[in-house]
Amino acid sequence: QQQVKQSPQSLIVQKGGISIINCAYENTAFDYFPWYQQFPGKGPALLIAIRPDVSEKKEGRFTISFNKSAKQFSLHIMDSQPGDSATYFCAASRQQGAQKLVFGQGTRLTINP
Amino acid sequence: NAGVTQTPKFQVLKTGQSMTLQCAQDMNHNSMYWYRQDPGMGLRLIYYSASEGTTDKGEVPNGYNVSRLNKREFSLRLESAAPSQTSVYFCASQRGSGFGYTFGSGTRLTVV
Repeated sequence: QQQVKQSPQSLIVQKGGISIINCAYENTAFDYFPWYQQFPGKGPALLIAIRPDVSEKKEGRFTISFNKSAKQFSLHIMDSQPGDSATYFCAASRQQGAQKLVFGQGTRLTINP
Repeated sequence: NAGVTQTPKFQVLKTGQSMTLQCAQDMNHNSMYWYRQDPGMGLRLIYYSASEGTTDKGEVPNGYNVSRLNKREFSLRLESAAPSQTSVYFCASQRGSGFGYTFGSGTRLTVV
């Protein structure tokens, strides 16, 4: 019950389009859902996170949508830019105690100019 | 403010050799983590330290040991390297529950 499944594995979007990455989790005890962005040769960096008391969180062009009943959450990148080309990871954990993040498999996003 | 510093950045080992990956953070964070990243598998937790003086196994601990030397430093040791341990290793720290991780830039390890 620890898996987080992420799709798609890779995604190509035109500049200005909307990029959508989906994740599904199994453990209903999870209550913290972050997204990380990773550029080649770098460590992942926190992009945005959501807790299950809200269904949506927006920060600039990045939005997380959360569906607790379906155990799914997604990242939307509006007006996608070439600089958004990176690998994106969703993750999930409990907030109590040691917050051991379980990561999805990753999505390699390419924004074509 | 350096954040999380990992050394070395690259390493090639022969099967059976041992080595220690070093990690240090300067943010006074309580929790520290070691993950490995493999293509198509995301990041998998090897070991973690919720606070100074404690360590626990994660999802894939076999073949590894850790030491939380003090609040700043958390090292990962491979006693007898195997080709299956070829991976990119990331150390991360966290201020506390409810806060995101800060990752280092990784160590790319190849075992031949």
